Amino acid sequence: DAGVTQSPTHLIKTRGQQVTLRCSPISGHKSVSWYQQVLGQGPQFIFQYYEKEERGRGNFPDRFSARQFPNYSSELNVNALLLGDSALYLCASTPWAGSGGELFFGEGSRLTVL
Amino acid sequence: DQQVKQNSPSLSVQEGRISILNCDYTNSMFDYFLWYKKYPAEGPTFLISISSIKDKNEDGRFTVFLNKSAKHLSLHIVPSQPGDSAVYFCAATAYTSGTYKYIFGTGTRLKVLA
Repeated sequence: DAGVTQSPTHLIKTRGQQVTLRCSPISGHKSVSWYQQVLGQGPQFIFQYYEKEERGRGNFPDRFSARQFPNYSSELNVNALLLGDSALYLCASTPWAGSGGELFFGEGSRLTVL
Repeated sequence: DQQVKQNSPSLSVQEGRISILNCDYTNSMFDYFLWYKKYPAEGPTFLISISSIKDKNEDGRFTVFLNKSAKHLSLHIVPSQPGDSAVYFCAATAYTSGTYKYIFGTGTRLKVLA
């Protein structure tokens, strides 16, 4: 069975540009969460979506947005990129939103902002 | 406000010996605690978890201990193997505003020496 898949795996942008990252959850999983991992830090929660509705939002500016599609895949958008947005962006899926159990992570999308 | 702390950024252990990774937390409302392992260029993979109502959980070479009074948990790996060399993150979850939110520590880099 396929795990969580993310695309692209690597990308380079310049300041002020916009980026869209994509995530496909494990088949049967209805909840997708996004995390940002800056070098030397642990993953930080950005968003959680369940059944296409936003269920949680971390402490990130409005430049960050996300959505979930009917097939439960998800996109994370970041506008007006800053150098500090350079990070590994991780997507995680779970069967539902309210379990507190294991998060299944993808391999991440590494964003470099120049 | 770092609610989950891993105070040791790195740890070196001889193959066959015990590895002990530590994690401290501040929020007494956390329901579950999880440990993840991360290799370079891969997403975090789940190792083991423990509910806040338990004080020990064991899975093969991995055991997690929870001391609620001290707000401290530890991961024991016995015996340690070179393939265990990775960054280890502890995470804690609490049910907040209709969903579980996960807070990660900053990670401990374990190096197992052959």
